Amino acid sequence: LAKTTQPISMDSYEGQEVNITCSHNNIATNDYITWYQQFPSQGPRFIIQGYKTKVTNEVASLFIPADRKSSTLSLPRVSLSDTAVYYCLVVLGAGSYQLTFGKGTKLSVIP
Amino acid sequence: NAGVTQTPKFQVLKTGQSMTLQCAQDMNHEYMSWYRQDPGMGLRLIHYSVGAGITDQGEVPNGYNVSRSTTEDFPLRLLSAAPSQTSVYFCASRIFSSNQPQHFGDGTRLSIL
Repeated sequence: LAKTTQPISMDSYEGQEVNITCSHNNIATNDYITWYQQFPSQGPRFIIQGYKTKVTNEVASLFIPADRKSSTLSLPRVSLSDTAVYYCLVVLGAGSYQLTFGKGTKLSVIP
Repeated sequence: NAGVTQTPKFQVLKTGQSMTLQCAQDMNHEYMSWYRQDPGMGLRLIHYSVGAGITDQGEVPNGYNVSRSTTEDFPLRLLSAAPSQTSVYFCASRIFSSNQPQHFGDGTRLSIL
């Protein structure tokens, strides 16, 4: 499983767009990039997943360059409720089962 | 649809005691797993199961046992609790044969004195 590197922490003001970049230099051809969000005292919650280019859902966007060695999670107009730890994971494609979590990025949204 | 349900939410044990953490899912997911999360750390895989009657070890299996007699339930057993097993335990499930995400329970916070 490819190792991921992401910032330990980030601060942002309410209403700003937040971009969290994750490095995964050893990503393999069949790997997907997946992001989870975790609030205190809760289990991780899936945010978004992608293989290449751009993926967007109602919560976030995920940008993946052509070489796939990094990815950027974009959260538009964050609010206080977006304060959480965000994990970038590289997972195998169909049939995979193991998730390897790093320490994640602790995002603090400031009023 | 309750998703993944873990019980209890909190538990305090003495060293040497045994305990079973319960996990149930109502989504008919084949794959279930147990993770532990220590302060300031990411989650580490303890055991997982790809279906009833099939289990395997993850990254940190020592001190834990599992079994999977039904699709819905995947209990985690501590046979002789040790202070090093103080942690928050998360159960997760997903459809096995796809790249669908895992669904996590809200955890069991376990303290061993």
